[in-house]
Amino acid sequence: EAGVAQSPRYKIIEKRQSVAFWCNPISGHATLYWYQQILGQGPKLLIQFQNNGVVDDSQLPKDRFSAERLKGVDSTLKIQPAKLEDSAVYLCASSRTTVNTEAFFGQGTRLTVV
Amino acid sequence: GENVEQHPSTLSVQEGDSAVIKCTYSDSASNYFPWYKQELGKGPQLIIDIRSNVGEKKDQRIAVTLNKTAKHFSLHITETQPEDSAVYFCAASKGTDKLIFGTGTRLQVFP
Repeated sequence: EAGVAQSPRYKIIEKRQSVAFWCNPISGHATLYWYQQILGQGPKLLIQFQNNGVVDDSQLPKDRFSAERLKGVDSTLKIQPAKLEDSAVYLCASSRTTVNTEAFFGQGTRLTVV
Repeated sequence: GENVEQHPSTLSVQEGDSAVIKCTYSDSASNYFPWYKQELGKGPQLIIDIRSNVGEKKDQRIAVTLNKTAKHFSLHITETQPEDSAVYFCAASKGTDKLIFGTGTRLQVFP
């Protein structure tokens, strides 16, 4: 089966600019996650969707980050305006369900804010 | 909330030797413990997982042990090979709660 697709792979922007990331999960996976991975750290969950509803967005900086999952399939994550500390790899993952099941990760988008 | 600590942060072994990575968790209700391998420029990939009703699980050269009383779990890789070189993450969760990841261990296997 095809894996989780993400684009772009790399993005360099200036602070205060906006940026958007796209994710296409594995077909049939109801749950979609966006993680932020800062260099040298483990992934940190930003937002979790079950179909097109939000399950957990407790660690999403809502003043600048937004995410949507239209029709319960593809998802976009947006940052506006970006800060230097947003430099990280943004990983999208999907799983069949939300309960104790394998999450499949995409290759990620490396964001550099200068 | 859950907190996961992982040690060591770096580990260097000779090819053929064993490698052990240890994690501790804080929430006694956590019941799912996956291990992920992340190679350079790639997303994490699940290599093995264990649930709280099992004390040990093995898959070829990889094994995971879980001590619920002490709230720690470990990854054991035997007969290491250069292609095992990567960053390894442990994680923990309960029910539908999010996975909490450790800080990672960079494993280097020297030929």
